Amino acid sequence: AQSVTQLDSQVPVFEEAPVELRCNYSSSVSVYLFWYVQYPNQGLQLLLKYLSGSTLVKGINGFEAEFNKSQTSFHLRKPSVHISDTAEYFCAGGRTGGFKTIFGAGTRLFVKA
Amino acid sequence: GAGVSQTPSNKVTEKGKYVELRCDPISGHTALYWYRQSLGQGPEFLIYFQGTGAADDSGLPNDRFFAVRPEGSVSTLKIQRTERGDSAVYLCASSPDLGGGEETQYFGPGTRLLVL
Repeated sequence: AQSVTQLDSQVPVFEEAPVELRCNYSSSVSVYLFWYVQYPNQGLQLLLKYLSGSTLVKGINGFEAEFNKSQTSFHLRKPSVHISDTAEYFCAGGRTGGFKTIFGAGTRLFVKA
Repeated sequence: GAGVSQTPSNKVTEKGKYVELRCDPISGHTALYWYRQSLGQGPEFLIYFQGTGAADDSGLPNDRFFAVRPEGSVSTLKIQRTERGDSAVYLCASSPDLGGGEETQYFGPGTRLLVL
């Protein structure tokens, strides 16, 4: 069975500091992976996605993620965060060619001034 | 253009009652998903429609849950004999083509269901 695990439920960080939000997946088959963000009182929106090819994926708002097949990870990074990055971040994925997307439990990023 | 809309935004009902939750996808989007998000959890897949048909309904928790999309656009999630454990935010998402789960999903704001 596939699963997506976000290793941190909350990540507090100071403004302009770098951040990494960790995500591990379990699957024995080819996968696709996403990071979605949910700002307060808004719907989920896509940050970036990995389907195949280059393992370093760049997304919106300066975020990037690296697909690591050997470690089954897809960690999200940003070199310098802003107050406006405060939100809930969800890692999600599924089997290539499938329809069912599995979401992690979410990581709440809290950027402090 | 207009995004995915869901109505009502909030629904309070009593245990045992029947509820319907509506989703209007982005115009022209052929794929539609329903998810359930409980407090402190990520969205949990319920069902996926390709056009009018449910291509994958493996996430529906039991036979009290049913979803339809009769004309391939608007979808309704129906819950019979509601239970307190059904309380959650129900999310709808749509995507533009039939590429499966790999396609970007555009989410609505959700319907917050509270069963008393």
